[in-house]
Amino acid sequence: DGGITQSPKYLFRKEGQNVTLSCEQNLNHDAMYWYRQDPGQGLRLIYYSQIVNDFQKGDIAEGYSVSREKKESFPLTVTSAQKNPTAFYLCASRLAGTGGTGELFFGEGSRLTVL
Amino acid sequence: AQSVTQPDIHITVSEGASLELRCNYSYGATPYLFWYVQSPGQGLQLLLKYFSGDTLVQGIKGFEAEFKRSQSSFNLRKPSVHWSDAAEYFCAATGGFKTIFGAGTRLFVKA
Repeated sequence: DGGITQSPKYLFRKEGQNVTLSCEQNLNHDAMYWYRQDPGQGLRLIYYSQIVNDFQKGDIAEGYSVSREKKESFPLTVTSAQKNPTAFYLCASRLAGTGGTGELFFGEGSRLTVL
Repeated sequence: AQSVTQPDIHITVSEGASLELRCNYSYGATPYLFWYVQSPGQGLQLLLKYFSGDTLVQGIKGFEAEFKRSQSSFNLRKPSVHWSDAAEYFCAATGGFKTIFGAGTRLFVKA
C-alpha cells in the first residue's frame, strides 16, 4: 500500500543535540512538507519542497534544516538552535501539478521530547 | 493576512446528536477548503474538500460541509454523532503550495 512513513515515532533528546526525523513516501508525490503541531496551535509549516534538490522555508524554519536528495525522502533535522523543540512533527506530501487543489497525505507523526 | 479560524477549541455532544463545527477563512480569493480529522497520536486524514461547484460537499464517515462565500465559512456537519467520532478536527485552506490550518476543534462524545 502507498503511504508516508515517519520514524522514529518517539524520540528523546538531550539539550544541545541535533536529531533527524525521517520521512519516506511511496506515493510518487513531488511535493513534501514538514509541520509542527503544538496543543491549541494547529499545524505550522516548517519547510516544504516542490521538487528534488529544492526546498523553501515555511513560517517557523528557524532551528530546523532539511534536504531533498531523492523524491521519496524528505528528512528534517532539529538542530540545537531550536529553542523549544519538544513537539509533534508531521510529514505530508501532495501531487505537484494540482497546485493547491490536491489534498495533503500525512504520516503518523514523530513525537520529539527534549529532556 | 491569510488565516483560518476555528472558534471552538472543544465541543461536547451526546452520542446520536447532531454536530456542527465552525470554520471561517480569510483569503484574497476563494481558496480550496478542506476538513481533516486526527485521532490522538496519529496523522491527519482527509474528511472532505471543496474546490468549486456545489456548495454542499459530502465526505467520508457521514460528514458533510457547506461552503458559504458570503460568510467566508466552511462548516462541518454530521446528523448523528457516534462515539468513534471523538477526535480533533482541522479546517484548512490553500491557494497555492502552502496550506494553512485552523487551530483545531476537539470533539468529545458523551454516552
